[in-house]
Amino acid sequence: AQSVTQPDIHITVSEGASLELRCNYSYGATPYLFWYVQSPGQGLQLLLKYFSGDTLVQGIKGFEAEFKRSQSSFNLRKPSVHWSDAAEYFCAVGANSGNTPLVFGKGTRLSVIA
Amino acid sequence: EAGVAQSPRYKIIEKRQSVAFWCNPISGHATLYWYQQILGQGPKLLIQFQNNGVVDDSQLPKDRFSAERLKGVDSTLKIQPAKLEDSAVYLCASSPRGLYGYTFGSGTRLTVV
Repeated sequence: AQSVTQPDIHITVSEGASLELRCNYSYGATPYLFWYVQSPGQGLQLLLKYFSGDTLVQGIKGFEAEFKRSQSSFNLRKPSVHWSDAAEYFCAVGANSGNTPLVFGKGTRLSVIA
Repeated sequence: EAGVAQSPRYKIIEKRQSVAFWCNPISGHATLYWYQQILGQGPKLLIQFQNNGVVDDSQLPKDRFSAERLKGVDSTLKIQPAKLEDSAVYLCASSPRGLYGYTFGSGTRLTVV
């Protein structure tokens, strides 16, 4: 069965600084990988996803993520954080076949300080 | 294209009462999922439908939770009787095929007091 680990519960960064949120997954085959963002009281918004091909994936709002099979990781990055990026970020993994649902990590809460 | 619609947006009930949530998926999406998201945690799958049949309900607390998807379109999730620990956001998602086009609704925030 798939599983996702987000080691950092809470991260604080200064506005304008770079950001990296960690995600490690467990899955026997090539996974489908996702990053979602959730602002307080809001639903989940898809930032980016990896299905196949180029391992560096570009998403919305200036985010990118890199799939590293050897490390079972799919870390999310942004070169310069804006105050509006403060939110909860979730990494999710799915099977690349069949009809299995997404499995989510516990999330990383991002705070942005001036 | 219209998104996944959920109602109500918020609900406050007393413990031991019953409550129902409604979800209308994107038109043409065969697969529908209900997730429970407890504060501070990631979403956890409760039940998955393919058209009007249940694919996976292994994590649904069947002594108090039930769900149906009549006619393979919209779905309702019911809790009876509710417990304090059921306080959470209930998210509905749908997809046309597997993980392609996987789309979440805005969720229903349930508070049990």
